[in-house]
Amino acid sequence: SQKIEQNSEALNIQEGKTATLTCNYTNYSPAYLQWYRQDPGRGPVFLLLIRENEKEKRKERLKVTFDTTLKQSLFHITASQPADSATYLCALDSTGGFKTIFGAGTRLFVKA
Amino acid sequence: DGGITQSPKYLFRKEGQNVTLSCEQNLNHDAMYWYRQDPGQGLRLIYYSQIVNDFQKGDIAEGYSVSREKKESFPLTVTSAQKNPTAFYLCASSILLGQGGEQFFGPGTRLTVL
Repeated sequence: SQKIEQNSEALNIQEGKTATLTCNYTNYSPAYLQWYRQDPGRGPVFLLLIRENEKEKRKERLKVTFDTTLKQSLFHITASQPADSATYLCALDSTGGFKTIFGAGTRLFVKA
Repeated sequence: DGGITQSPKYLFRKEGQNVTLSCEQNLNHDAMYWYRQDPGQGLRLIYYSQIVNDFQKGDIAEGYSVSREKKESFPLTVTSAQKNPTAFYLCASSILLGQGGEQFFGPGTRLTVL
């Protein structure tokens, strides 16, 4: 069955460092991969979309890579800040598909 | 301001009761979704709707029902047939169904069974 894996352990980093979160998937050929941010008790907020024919996408301090051979996406936050502390979800869509599959998310803590 | 709203924020249900969660959007989106979120799990799709008067079951539709009589509204009813309804429920909308379209989420409703 289709499966998305994100590191269930929280990631703790020091302010100013680069945070790197991983999203791995199996039994799936996504055409689109998205990253969302979710704060406790709130709905997710869209951050970035990357397509299968794109290797890398950047937006301000965020960078996403998409390796369809490794079946993996990496999400980087450079110069991290305590305000970046949240849970980050990856989500996959296929071409012509009607359902988006979400990972369970990785909790990020940025310490001042 | 355009957005998507859910109510109530917290809901308590006695066993055997049906409850309805509200979801309204003013983004003029055709597609709407209901997800359930449990600790340590990804969002699981309950129902989705591509257009008014049309909706489809998601992965965990048993014990739930929906309606889509208006473009703006997509209420979810949690019936007594849902054996483990305690969870965080999220409604979302998007311009297109799937296809990598950005989903806009509401603030969520936390349902607790007493």
